[in-house]
Amino acid sequence: EIVLTQSPGTLSLSPGESATLSCRASQSVRSNFLAWYQHKPGQAPRLLIYGASSRASGVPDRFSAWGFGTDFTLSISRLEPEDFAVYYCQQFGSSLFTFGQGTKLEIK
Amino acid sequence: EVQLVQSGAEVKKPGESLKISCKSSGGSFPYHWVAWVRQMPGRGLEWMGSIYPDDSETRYSPTFQGQVTISADKSTTTAYLQWSSLEASDTGIYYCARLPRLGPLAGTHFDYWGQGSLVTVSS
Repeated sequence: EIVLTQSPGTLSLSPGESATLSCRASQSVRSNFLAWYQHKPGQAPRLLIYGASSRASGVPDRFSAWGFGTDFTLSISRLEPEDFAVYYCQQFGSSLFTFGQGTKLEIK
Repeated sequence: EVQLVQSGAEVKKPGESLKISCKSSGGSFPYHWVAWVRQMPGRGLEWMGSIYPDDSETRYSPTFQGQVTISADKSTTTAYLQWSSLEASDTGIYYCARLPRLGPLAGTHFDYWGQGSLVTVSS
């Protein structure tokens, strides 16, 4: 089973700043089957990125992502108040899905 | 528009059984894998398992194999998650989520999610 480790655990930033979130896999993620989700309390998780770098429908271009193999990054530029949430990476391999433990993006 | 609407909150005692549901609308339900994802209090997301409603092929996370049963009913476009004997450690929010079925990244992520079902198990 591939283990995903996200860092930092918590990121404290102000609106208008940029955020960089990391997701590191214990083994190479096949074919970039890596996705990112935004999760706010009391809401369903929201797909942001799939295939390591493709934005889902309706996701602002302030969100970008890249990576390959074992190292993946989600970047959020010009933070808006609604961007403060928990972000999870997720991989698919060998018919199994695993999630990272999450990065909490909080308002400084 | 695709919508996944889950059943409401449940409060159960240890040892009781439970079946929660996820009603799909707006999409070709039989031909999309549907997954269940757990969030324990204060914790992250965990994939439990997935089902392909057309033929009921099911895959489970090793963590949840034998602990829960995932099923689906094509006629009502509903997926289910059930427990035969709940434990306190089953307390959490359970989400259903749909997997996309087209393209090279089909089945590799979750594009639509239900609103979550809170399950509380306490004596």
